[in-house]
Amino acid sequence: AQKITQTQPGMFVQEKEAVTLDCTYDTSDQSYGLFWYKQPSSGEMIFLIYQGSYDEQNATEGRYSLNFQKARKSANLVISASQLGDSAMYFCAMREESGYSTLTFGKGTMLLVSP
Amino acid sequence: ETGVTQSPTHLIKTRGQQVTLRCSSQSGHNTVSWYQQALGQGPQFIFQYYREEENGRGNFPPRFSGLQFPNYSSELNVNALELDDSALYLCASSYRTGFSGANVLTFGAGSRLTVL
Repeated sequence: AQKITQTQPGMFVQEKEAVTLDCTYDTSDQSYGLFWYKQPSSGEMIFLIYQGSYDEQNATEGRYSLNFQKARKSANLVISASQLGDSAMYFCAMREESGYSTLTFGKGTMLLVSP
Repeated sequence: ETGVTQSPTHLIKTRGQQVTLRCSSQSGHNTVSWYQQALGQGPQFIFQYYREEENGRGNFPPRFSGLQFPNYSSELNVNALELDDSALYLCASSYRTGFSGANVLTFGAGSRLTVL
């Protein structure tokens, strides 16, 4: 079974609108971390936001917020006020406590922001 | 502070050859991981090095090997290249601590390998 599932291969959004990228995960660990990375066409993976499994509040980093629903095992990324520079691949990833720094990635969602 | 740098950025090899990819970790980081990203897929964990020893490995055959040097730079070696080895190879460094935390991985821009 996949540990990280991203069901949206591609998403389109207009500039200045908000968009939600979906991510569900599967783990039997009690302690784990969830990450979102952005990958522009240059290839570099850019860290966006982190949520720990014991964090009671949803993480926020500027225009990025993570809608964490532990019971449903979902960790959706919300980008507010989209910008043209947000066009990129977005990957959800999980680090399980048993795996030290190892990340398990989903297949990604391609986000295209139009003017 | 400098980030993670990888070399070469692109390279082409033929089946059966060997390749070495290099990575310079971010200053202050003591752990390096390598990931393989095939076209249209998310990165897959190859292995991780901490204090110059491999301490975690994904589902990759032994012909994928690595080294971590005292200055925390690293190499990924792949022997007997196969067509399916064509991918973007990403290096990531982090500072490993003794307790759980965000432990964010900092990635390089990758080395794109094409095997013909």
